[in-house]
Amino acid sequence: DAMVIQNPRYQVTQFGKPVTLSCSQTLNHNVMYWYQQKSSQAPKLLFHYYDKDFNNEADTPDNFQSRRPNTSFCFLDIRSPGLGDAAMYLCATSRGMEGGEQYFGPGTRLTVT
Amino acid sequence: AQRVTQPEKLLSVFKGAPVELKCNYSYSGSPELFWYVQYSRQRLQLLLRHISRESIKGFTADLNKGETSFHLKKPFAQEEDSAMYYCALHTGGFKTIFGAGTRLFVKA
Repeated sequence: DAMVIQNPRYQVTQFGKPVTLSCSQTLNHNVMYWYQQKSSQAPKLLFHYYDKDFNNEADTPDNFQSRRPNTSFCFLDIRSPGLGDAAMYLCATSRGMEGGEQYFGPGTRLTVT
Repeated sequence: AQRVTQPEKLLSVFKGAPVELKCNYSYSGSPELFWYVQYSRQRLQLLLRHISRESIKGFTADLNKGETSFHLKKPFAQEEDSAMYYCALHTGGFKTIFGAGTRLFVKA
């Protein structure tokens, strides 16, 4: 089945230790998104890629970076995780300009110790 | 400001009872609204969108621009409807704003 895959599902990192979360998709969608979701809160968009064009949300901290080496893969890098970065990170994709209909991965739950 | 409000964090109904999950939005442009659902241990997935005006799993939602609402309704709730429901506003381009979600619990 075509889908969005996130690895790992659970990630534990230490305060200040860089961590990378990965996302891959078999849907061949142009757009890939990263959301942060804290407990009982709405998913919050961090950034997205439209093909190779990277678009950062204005309020996304500099600590968060992303890479998209090809259509299928997208990475979220957290350079120096703080305790406040503990959250569920959701990857999603969409087809071209149909940005409202998104396909989500299962998420990676990040714990910062 | 662009905003999606789901006033109820938790909604509990009996099986067979009608259910309405509320969603209000704030947006100055022409809104494109969606409902997403997350069943236990599953990923977030699209349930329905206002432009298609369809009924999915017995759920419908009507966009009311006067009241800036997009409430999700089902006449007879089923136990398998128990899930987390998110209302989402697509503001154009690639920006979608999600509400904080309502957990629906359907009791036997």
